[in-house]
Amino acid sequence: TQLLEQSPQFLSIQEGENLTVYCNSSSVFSSLQWYRQEPGEGPVLLVTVVTGGEVKKLKRLTFQFGDARKDSSLHITAAQPGDTGLYLCAGDSAGGTSYGKLTFGQGTILTVHP
Amino acid sequence: DTGVSQNPRHKITKRGQNVTFRCDPISEHNRLYWYRQTLGQGPEFLTYFQNEAQLEKSRLLSDRFSAERPKGSFSTLEIQRTEQGDSAMYLCASSPGAGYGYTFGSGTRLTVV
Repeated sequence: TQLLEQSPQFLSIQEGENLTVYCNSSSVFSSLQWYRQEPGEGPVLLVTVVTGGEVKKLKRLTFQFGDARKDSSLHITAAQPGDTGLYLCAGDSAGGTSYGKLTFGQGTILTVHP
Repeated sequence: DTGVSQNPRHKITKRGQNVTFRCDPISEHNRLYWYRQTLGQGPEFLTYFQNEAQLEKSRLLSDRFSAERPKGSFSTLEIQRTEQGDSAMYLCASSPGAGYGYTFGSGTRLTVV
């Protein structure tokens, strides 16, 4: 069974601060995806990282995939209240019959105070 | 295309009753997934389809749960003899194929009283 551990579980910060969310596993993934979810809605895809060591930037968000494709991080610069939400990492199985099935971490609840 | 549509958005049922949820995926997507999510937790895999074929079902899922995707279009998830522990958000997602990101619906929130 592939497990993804996210940390921290909760993050409460002031507007303008920087933060990093971590996603770790002992398993290798073919890709890692990050989603953001607001209350009462489904998760929305932010980014997919595929290559070990890959870094992707989406405005103030920077995503990195570990060299061994077992871990990932999300860094937000100058957080804004609109960044508030549940951030989820999800790993895609490395081949086999479950390829394309995502395993989700437990999520990081981010609250950005004005 | 209006994205992934789930109905109903909310369902309150008495313990022991059967419930059925519907998911309409993005029309070009051949993969359809069902997940369950409790408050503040990540989604937990239930089952998924490639076209009309159900490829995998979670071993955590009891025999009270069944899903179908006739003709490879919409899908239904049925829970028989509901229990209070079934209370959760049931999420449906679709993707163009393996290795692509998911597009989720807004979910169906089930409350069993």
